[in-house]
Amino acid sequence: GAGVSQSPSNKVTEKGKDVELRCDPISGHTALYWYRQSLGQGLEFLIYFQGNSAPDKSGLPSDRFSAERTGGSVSTLTIQRTQQEDSAVYLCASSLTCRERVSCEQYFGPGTRLTVT
Amino acid sequence: GEDVEQSLFLSVREGDSSVINCTYTDSSSTYLYWYKQEPGAGLQLLTYIFSNMDMKQDQRLTVLLNKKDKHLSLRIADTQTGDSAIYFCAETAPLYNFNKFYFGSGTKLNVKP
Repeated sequence: GAGVSQSPSNKVTEKGKDVELRCDPISGHTALYWYRQSLGQGLEFLIYFQGNSAPDKSGLPSDRFSAERTGGSVSTLTIQRTQQEDSAVYLCASSLTCRERVSCEQYFGPGTRLTVT
Repeated sequence: GEDVEQSLFLSVREGDSSVINCTYTDSSSTYLYWYKQEPGAGLQLLTYIFSNMDMKQDQRLTVLLNKKDKHLSLRIADTQTGDSAIYFCAETAPLYNFNKFYFGSGTKLNVKP
């Protein structure tokens, strides 16, 4: 079956422009996550959505970052007024609802490499 | 947030065993995971262990968990050049928030032929 897909795979933008990154999770997965991976760094949690609950936005680095998840499926991460330090690979993952005493596998997309010039 | 730490680099020769280490801070963790990231790709789950286990073996992979020291390790037997990748350990957040994952910074494994 289809895995998690992300688009575009690469995005080059000028400083100050807005960008939108898209994530299509696996059908039926209720949880969706966004992470940022800077060069040589680990994964930085940004935001996650769980069903109809309010998203956990605690990882968003500034108010220039926002995300939506429409209809419980596709998600868009928007970065306004991009800065050079926003350059990174943005990874999306989805999973079933995680519960106590049940392992919970996240399935990752290939990522969007964002370069801000 | 929780703190998950890993060493950044490991270099081994083909055929040797690799041991990648991870430490975490949350003693109430339920599941701990190992993910592999190959160049230009997303992360792929390798294996996981429940916190009431000490060891889990899956073919060439052995996971050891020392709950007292909050130490997790991944051993790869007979390491191959195809095992060259970045390996991340991750834990789920404390009670009542099983959907939140905390990842280490990743260990880059280089396998020399």
